[in-house]
Amino acid sequence: DIQMTQSPSSVSASVGDRVTITCRASQGISSWLAWYQQKPGKAPKLLIYAASSLQSGVPSRFSGSGSGTDFTLTISSLQPEDFATYYCQQANSFPPTFGPGTKVDIK
Amino acid sequence: EVQLVESGGGLVKPGGSLRLSCAASGFTFSSYSMNWVRQAPGKGLEWVSSISSSSSYIYYADSVKGRFTISRDNAKNSLYLQMNSLRAEDTAVYYCARARTGTNWFDPWGQGTLVTVSS
Repeated sequence: DIQMTQSPSSVSASVGDRVTITCRASQGISSWLAWYQQKPGKAPKLLIYAASSLQSGVPSRFSGSGSGTDFTLTISSLQPEDFATYYCQQANSFPPTFGPGTKVDIK
Repeated sequence: EVQLVESGGGLVKPGGSLRLSCAASGFTFSSYSMNWVRQAPGKGLEWVSSISSSSSYIYYADSVKGRFTISRDNAKNSLYLQMNSLRAEDTAVYYCARARTGTNWFDPWGQGTLVTVSS
């Protein structure tokens, strides 16, 4: 199975800050990577797919980059509604696997 | 509006069984692969099982293989997960999620149903 790691595990930030989350795959996955946002008590929501494609309806302050084994999710200017946990997921091969998550909370 | 609504969760004793359902609406259910993904309390996301649009291809996580069975009824726009021989470590919120065509991106997700395995 492909193992996914994320760093940091948590980040404290303020509204307006630029936040970057890193995801690494244990082997190359080309661009078969997605990012999800999950708020407490809610289902995950797809933000980014194919490493850098923005899901319809997702604000443009979210962006993704990377290919192969190293990927990043960037929030250019953190908004109050962005405080949540973010997960990366590889879709290159079965089983689909998720990173452990990065919690973004208020500084 | 695309919608997925899970049901069937609850409290069950170790070794017991439970059947989860997911009712789909707002899209052509028979055209999409569907998945179950779970989340243990306070933990991350774990993919459980996938089924192709016509049920030709079925996959399971090693952690549930031989105990769980995924199925679907395209006439009823419904997805199911039969869970047998349940263990404490199966305690989680179970989400159904649609796979985008030709991919394993999960969008959208249902609201989830909680399964608690405890004596």
